[in-house]
Amino acid sequence: EVQVVDSGGGLVQPGGSLRLSCAASGFTYSSYWMTWVRQAPGKGLEWVAYINQDGNEKDYVDSVKGRFTISRDNAKNSLYLQMNSLRAEDTAVYYCARGWGHIDYWGQGTLVTVSS
Amino acid sequence: DIVMTQSPDSLAVSLGERATINCKSSQSVLNSSDTKNYLAWYQQKPGQPPKLLIYWASTRESGVPDRFSGSGSGTDFTLTISSLQAEDVAVYYCQQYCDTPPYTFGQGTKLEIK
Repeated sequence: EVQVVDSGGGLVQPGGSLRLSCAASGFTYSSYWMTWVRQAPGKGLEWVAYINQDGNEKDYVDSVKGRFTISRDNAKNSLYLQMNSLRAEDTAVYYCARGWGHIDYWGQGTLVTVSS
Repeated sequence: DIVMTQSPDSLAVSLGERATINCKSSQSVLNSSDTKNYLAWYQQKPGQPPKLLIYWASTRESGVPDRFSGSGSGTDFTLTISSLQAEDVAVYYCQQYCDTPPYTFGQGTKLEIK
């Protein structure tokens, strides 16, 4: 059974950092692009970043460029999102997801709250 | 960035009736090299992650009931639920994944029972 389990969310002050993790299982992780999508409370979905199979191709939405870094460890079947210089507007549920375009498996999401 | 606009924002339909949600992109999401429309539809129920329903504009994901169908090409797309069931109450999103990121979503359409 395909599973993606995201974790690492929490409360952080503005300007702080947080690292999200995602553990994948049930599929050949190293064969898939992976994506992070976020959803602010009560709002719609926002594509955040993606990474290709071997980690040498990445892209980000403009609002997080220079602050967030997506990475992966294929030996550990894991995906990461390092978030620095966090702002109040980064408050959201962050979903780890399989795929580069249409996304067929999603984690349950991890809540990041940026507040003083 | 490609802007995705859904209509209506909310919709109330009687059980067993047809529900239609529209999605318009600010530029074409049809790839001329492979003639595919890079457009997906998702369903999201409260407290749950989104679920993929349709991709390439009209290909139903495995396990999705056949009452869900997608149509359209270029800039105008439609998600149709042929006979609304109670379990279809949700928010529906379209997403384009054409060319380079960001792969933007529509604002969502909330579907309720009348």
